[in-house]
Amino acid sequence: DVKVTQSSRYLVKRTGEKVFLECVQDMDHENMFWYRQDPGLGLRLIYFSYDVKMKEKGDIPEGYSVSREKKERFSLILESASTNQTSMYLCASSLSGQSSYEQYFGPGTRLTVT
Amino acid sequence: AQSVTQLGSHVSVSEGALVLLRCNYSSSVPPYLFWYVQYPNQGLQLLLKYTTGATLVKGINGFEAEFKKSETSFHLTKPSAHMSDAAEYFCALFEWGNTPLVFGKGTRLSVIA
Repeated sequence: DVKVTQSSRYLVKRTGEKVFLECVQDMDHENMFWYRQDPGLGLRLIYFSYDVKMKEKGDIPEGYSVSREKKERFSLILESASTNQTSMYLCASSLSGQSSYEQYFGPGTRLTVT
Repeated sequence: AQSVTQLGSHVSVSEGALVLLRCNYSSSVPPYLFWYVQYPNQGLQLLLKYTTGATLVKGINGFEAEFKKSETSFHLTKPSAHMSDAAEYFCALFEWGNTPLVFGKGTRLSVIA
């Protein structure tokens, strides 16, 4: 079974703090994704990565950055957290090529910025 | 540009009643289509998928969906709702050449005893 793990289930941070959300997958997937989920807005793509050290902006990259130094790990960074970044953050991974459509999701991190 | 529209942000059914969650899509090429389910405080789990071939696809927990190209729809159904079906459901689309999935905004299903 593919397993995608996220470092924290719940996180509370203060405005202005630098926040790291970590995601690790154990199936040697090339593609990894970060989404945020908000009521009424569904899932919105923040960033994704096709390979180590590669990244692509999604629909809402402002205020976020990412890092992928190893294939299995994809980090989402909030350089200076703000209250409007309070949300559920979901990580996902997939193979490349023919099976790239099948994404596997982690359990999510619920981030509260106060 | 591709898009997914889920009709109804919240659907409520009685236990044992038919479940119908609606999804319409827009795509310039034949898409792959998916339904994901999210139980409270969990990540998304694939319920079923349509890629090619048979247009009626069956998924887990008794759910099925039918791809109708003429109607650009991929509605999710289950003949008899169970309390454990209460969750949020997301329809998603994939176009070759665009790796990220495009998600609808979700439909929350409530099941009333």
